[in-house]
Amino acid sequence: DTEVTQTPKHLVMGMTNKKSLKCEQHMGHRAMYWYKQKAKKPPELMFVYSYEKLSINESVPSRFSPECPNSSLLNLHLHALQPEDSALYLCASSQASGGARETQYFGPGTRLLVL
Amino acid sequence: AQSVSQHNHHVILSEAASLELGCNYSYGGTVNLFWYVQYPGQHLQLLLKYFSGDPLVKGIKGFEAEFIKSKFSFNLRKPSVQWSDTAEYFCAVHTSGGYNKLIFGAGTRLAVHP
Repeated sequence: DTEVTQTPKHLVMGMTNKKSLKCEQHMGHRAMYWYKQKAKKPPELMFVYSYEKLSINESVPSRFSPECPNSSLLNLHLHALQPEDSALYLCASSQASGGARETQYFGPGTRLLVL
Repeated sequence: AQSVSQHNHHVILSEAASLELGCNYSYGGTVNLFWYVQYPGQHLQLLLKYFSGDPLVKGIKGFEAEFIKSKFSFNLRKPSVQWSDTAEYFCAVHTSGGYNKLIFGAGTRLAVHP
C-alpha cells in the first residue's frame, strides 16, 4: 500500500478562522512533508518532519503551524490566513529521514480557498 | 542555489507520436533525479527515478529517461504516446549533501489528441 491520504479534500475558510489539514500514511514511513502548490506551478516545500521531529522549515509564516503527533500522522494548523495562501496543499511521505535517495509518495492534496 | 529547468511548458501531440521532455538542473555534485506525473485531478505519482548506475532508466507506462551528466540533463521519453498520457510532468532533483530538499521544475503540460 503506497497511499497517503489527506482530509479534507476541499476547504474554504475566512481570514479569521482556524482550521487544520490532516495527512495520514500507513507505509511505516518516518519522514513526512508539507508542500504548497499554486495553480500551474510546481510544488514548493514547506516543512519536513523526520522521526516526528521538525527538520526543515522553509521560512514559512507562523500562520502555518505543523504538527506530527505520531509517525503516521501529520497536521497543518491554519490561522489568520491571507487570500494569497489559497492553494493545493500536498502531503508526502518517504521511508526514513528524508534523504536524497528516498522516493516521496504524495497524497491527493487539500484544495484551500481563503476568502 | 540549485535549480531545475523544464524548457517545454506546453506540448501538444497526436496519439502515437514520440515524446521527449527536457529537464536540466544546476548542481555540480551528486544528484538524485525523479520524474513525477500529475494526471488531471489526481495526485503526483512517481514515473521513474535515477540514483546511480545505468544512465538509461525505465519507468512505468513505457516511459524512460536518460541521465547525461555532462549536459546536466535528465530528459523523459516515450516512443508512442496515448491519449491517457495527457497530464503534467514534473522533473525533480534531490541533491546528496548540502541542501536536503526535493526541487521541482516548473512542469510541462502535455496534451495528447486522439
